[in-house]
Amino acid sequence: NAGVTQTPKFQVLKTGQSMTLQCAQDMNHEYMSWYRQDPGMGLRLIHYSVGAGITDQGEVPNGYNVSRSTTEDFPLRLLSAAPSQTSVYFCASRDRGASYNEQFFGPGTRLTVL
Amino acid sequence: AQSVSQHNHHVILSEAASLELGCNYSYGGTVNLFWYVQYPGQHLQLLLKYFSGDPLVKGIKGFEAEFIKSKFSFNLRKPSVQWSDTAEYFCAVNRGSSASKIIFGSGTRLSIRP
Repeated sequence: NAGVTQTPKFQVLKTGQSMTLQCAQDMNHEYMSWYRQDPGMGLRLIHYSVGAGITDQGEVPNGYNVSRSTTEDFPLRLLSAAPSQTSVYFCASRDRGASYNEQFFGPGTRLTVL
Repeated sequence: AQSVSQHNHHVILSEAASLELGCNYSYGGTVNLFWYVQYPGQHLQLLLKYFSGDPLVKGIKGFEAEFIKSKFSFNLRKPSVQWSDTAEYFCAVNRGSSASKIIFGSGTRLSIRP
């Protein structure tokens, strides 16, 4: 299994540009989440999904959209990038079975918005 | 608001020193508790978790954590640290009734002097 994969690894955007961060998992996990990691603030939940067609907002959803058309993929869209969205983005997935199941994280995407 | 607090932002220790990293959460009711570690340049990995039973939980690499319900705490400990323990450590919580959402603390950066 490849686990959780994310592309791209690095991205530089100009203010106002749009882009999609890709996330895929091959473990048939129903739960998927997007986090951003900023110095001194830890990981903050952006959006999450409990299955195909179902998404919900996390702690910091503004400026981001998600969709979940398949179990495997959970892309994160920035419609109009802002410098405040400069961060490292992590995607994670977890099996639905038990609430204490481990989350598996992808390698991250480092995004810089100029 | 629901929160997870890690009061130690940066801890510096010498090899063989004992370690204790604090974690407090603000939820009532049933919770599942996790400690994740992020080694330099890598993604997050699970160290240990608590969901029921013995409040003293043992994880990988000699780490352990104690759940003290009355104090809403889940502190991470290791009796003798090694240089290879240099990493960032994150406490995380999800509520038994909202198992899909996991909230992270701000993280503690641990630096070990060889």
